[in-house]
Amino acid sequence: DAGVIQSPRHEVTEMGQEVTLRCKPISGHNSLFWYRQTMMRGLELLIYFNNNVPIDDSGMPEDRFSAKMPNASFSTLKIQPSEPRDSAVYFCASSYPGQANEQFFGPGTRLTVL
Amino acid sequence: AQSVSQHNHHVILSEAASLELGCNYSYGGTVNLFWYVQYPGQHLQLLLKYFSGDPLVKGIKGFEAEFIKSKFSFNLRKPSVQWSDTAEYFCASWHRDDKIIFGKGTRLHILP
Repeated sequence: DAGVIQSPRHEVTEMGQEVTLRCKPISGHNSLFWYRQTMMRGLELLIYFNNNVPIDDSGMPEDRFSAKMPNASFSTLKIQPSEPRDSAVYFCASSYPGQANEQFFGPGTRLTVL
Repeated sequence: AQSVSQHNHHVILSEAASLELGCNYSYGGTVNLFWYVQYPGQHLQLLLKYFSGDPLVKGIKGFEAEFIKSKFSFNLRKPSVQWSDTAEYFCASWHRDDKIIFGKGTRLHILP
């Protein structure tokens, strides 16, 4: 298996633009997680899905952030409009159902908002 | 809300030194605990986890961690570190009624 795949690996955009981050989980994993990593706040769970259904989005910072999982093999995290404070590394992870299982992380997307 | 504290933000050791990275969690009930590692330029991967049973957990690459409930701690240890252990280490906790919480990480730098 190729592991969790994320694209793009790097994204540089200007404030106000829409940003879409993509994730393909490991086949057979039913849970998918989106994290944000910054120096100030460390690794934060933004949202997670079980069987394509969002279970907990309490970590999503504000309405500018949205996440979807239209099918078992694809998820997106969208920021619209983007702001400089959104600059961070965004990780996607997948696991067998539930948060108690080992999560397999993708390589991350480094987002820079100018 | 639960929290995870990693008190050492940056640790520098020489090869062959012993390692102990601190982790404290706040939840007082049944909790699952994890240590993840992120090597330079790579993604996070699981080192070890504790669910129940023996409080001394063995992980990959010679790492171990001890769950001490009375101290709300889950410290990571390795008797003799190698240069290849240079990485960032994250402690995490989860319990049934909440979401997984990660600590802010500890950057470990091993001098050759």
